[in-house]
Amino acid sequence: NAGVTQTPKFQVLKTGQSMTLQCAQDMNHNSMYWYRQDPGMGLRLIYYSASEGTTDKGEVPNGYNVSRLNKREFSLRLESAAPSQTSVYFCASSENPSEDTQYFGPGTRLTVL
Amino acid sequence: RKEVEQDPGPFNVPEGATVAFNCTYSNSASQSFFWYRQDCRKEPKLLMSVYSSGNEDGRFTAQLNRASQYISLLIRDSKLSDSATYLCVVSGSGGYNKLIFGAGTRLAVHP
Repeated sequence: NAGVTQTPKFQVLKTGQSMTLQCAQDMNHNSMYWYRQDPGMGLRLIYYSASEGTTDKGEVPNGYNVSRLNKREFSLRLESAAPSQTSVYFCASSENPSEDTQYFGPGTRLTVL
Repeated sequence: RKEVEQDPGPFNVPEGATVAFNCTYSNSASQSFFWYRQDCRKEPKLLMSVYSSGNEDGRFTAQLNRASQYISLLIRDSKLSDSATYLCVVSGSGGYNKLIFGAGTRLAVHP
């Protein structure tokens, strides 16, 4: 089992460009999450999907959109990237919304110039 | 005030030392508590859950004080491989498993 995979690992964008971060899990988990991690701050939840077909905003959703493509895949889209979105992005999954343990992907390091 | 606060460190300790990390949280309604470990430039991984009665996993002991809204992690007999950032994590509220992450405490174990 690969667990949670993310692509790309690194990305550099110019302000105003768009891109989609991909995430997939092979653990048959129902719930998936997108976080961002900035220096000196804890991981902050951007969006989550409690189950296939549902998505909800987290703590910092502005500037992002998500798609729960199927049970395995949950993508994060930046429509018009801004320097403030320079961060490390982690995708995570858990068996269900009330499950304590979340499993994280390796992260995507994004720089917006 | 941050919802979960940790001393950022770094804690520099020699191999074999005992080191303790503390964490405070602001939401008295939180029900679940964890310590995650994050190696440099890697993803967070669950180290252990924290139970009201306290719990131990090998060299690691976690304690919870609900009255003071305080969580601790004790590492005994530190190893070089324990060098990492330790994240205090607390469940939020809202009908789903929203986890609130502290910014982490960095530990460096030296020979």
